Amino acid sequence: GAGVSQSPSNKVTEKGKDVELRCDPISGHTALYWYRQSLGQGLEFLIYFQGNSAPDKSGLPSDRFSAERTGGSVSTLTIQRTQQEDSAVYLCASSSLSNSNQPQHFGDGTRLSIL
Amino acid sequence: DAKTTQPNSMESNEEEPVHLPCNHSTISGTDYIHWYRQLPSQGPEYVIHGLTSNVNNRMASLAIAEDRKSSTLILHRATLRDAAVYYCILQESNFGNEKLTFGTGTRLTIIP
Repeated sequence: GAGVSQSPSNKVTEKGKDVELRCDPISGHTALYWYRQSLGQGLEFLIYFQGNSAPDKSGLPSDRFSAERTGGSVSTLTIQRTQQEDSAVYLCASSSLSNSNQPQHFGDGTRLSIL
Repeated sequence: DAKTTQPNSMESNEEEPVHLPCNHSTISGTDYIHWYRQLPSQGPEYVIHGLTSNVNNRMASLAIAEDRKSSTLILHRATLRDAAVYYCILQESNFGNEKLTFGTGTRLTIIP
């Protein structure tokens, strides 16, 4: 069956440009999470959606980062005025219910490289 | 968040059982114990989770100590495909944000 899909799989851009990363969760999953994985920091939480609402944005590193989710499905993570320290793999996960009895299903991520 | 402690790395021979330990001495009564693994160039993959009783599924078994301060992930017969970083994570059992807090995990190497 279809899993979590992320696009693009790789993105190379110049410092200062804006980028938009997309996540298509598993159909019917109400909870959606963004994480990022960098060499220096390991795997860290960014933001959580329940439906179209984002009750927890505490992991977003700066106001250059924003995310939205529409129709309770697709989510986009936008990074404005990218910096070199934004280089990382950005991972999206979804789960069917927002409670700890449900596993999170991850996509394979978008590898973002800032030149 | 309650912390977990895992060995940085382990090695095991192919086709033999693997026991991956995890210490979580500050676990609270409502924390679930989750295991995920991450193969090279892939996102993390759910393996198994439990609360108090031992659990089995098609991928692995989870043995939880009686005092819940430690647990062991058991791969019954390791294959080369099991080479990955394994993460032991505690998650509070309340509705709401169930974000995962990843540590550094155990890098498992399978020797052919």
